[in-house]
Amino acid sequence: DTEVTQTPKHLVMGMTNKKSLKCEQHMGHRAMYWYKQKAKKPPELMFVYSYEKLSINESVPSRFSPECPNSSLLNLHLHALQPEDSALYLCASSHDRGRDIYEQYFGPGTRLTVT
Amino acid sequence: GDSVTQMEGPVTLSEEAFLTINCTYTATGYPSLFWYVQYPGEGLQLLLKATKADDKGSNKGFEATYRKETTSFHLEKGSVQVSDSAVYFCALSDRTGNQFYFGTGTSLTVIP
Repeated sequence: DTEVTQTPKHLVMGMTNKKSLKCEQHMGHRAMYWYKQKAKKPPELMFVYSYEKLSINESVPSRFSPECPNSSLLNLHLHALQPEDSALYLCASSHDRGRDIYEQYFGPGTRLTVT
Repeated sequence: GDSVTQMEGPVTLSEEAFLTINCTYTATGYPSLFWYVQYPGEGLQLLLKATKADDKGSNKGFEATYRKETTSFHLEKGSVQVSDSAVYFCALSDRTGNQFYFGTGTSLTVIP
């Protein structure tokens, strides 16, 4: 099974709302990622978790707050977003075993619209 | 730093035509290389990969060869189908495995 699931599929939120995006994988992967993708652009890395610890934060504004409750789950908490944050948010996972390099598996994404 | 340069699109082909999408990379050391495909409204799917020089990745009729001498990883398919219409991303993984560098993506439309 090479599936990464994401919920919800679509989300519309106002600038004062608080919402969360969820991601789950059951492949035994120990690295998980959040990406933001704007239309007709490649994904941009936001956060990387390795063994449930935040290892990379690509200078993402604090209105995005990641959380990794366990090795299978990854959340992205959203608060006070701006309209320019509207995008497709993708979760990915991969093995993380030191020097070997493994491919990332992506979920279907959450289409976020901020009004 | 590491980077990927991908051929500009969009590309429009007739069904059964030959496809080439060019990808070149810049990297220190020996990266792994990938092609991902994104169908409309979906996430990215791994299409194929190569982890060392002269490796050939292949899947669903697509193939790409890791060429260290030309720092290239061009995607090819001998006969495209309408169902191949999608955006294709070339990607490179750095030595830590945590950072992916994506190309800008190439949109392919196959017409009957």
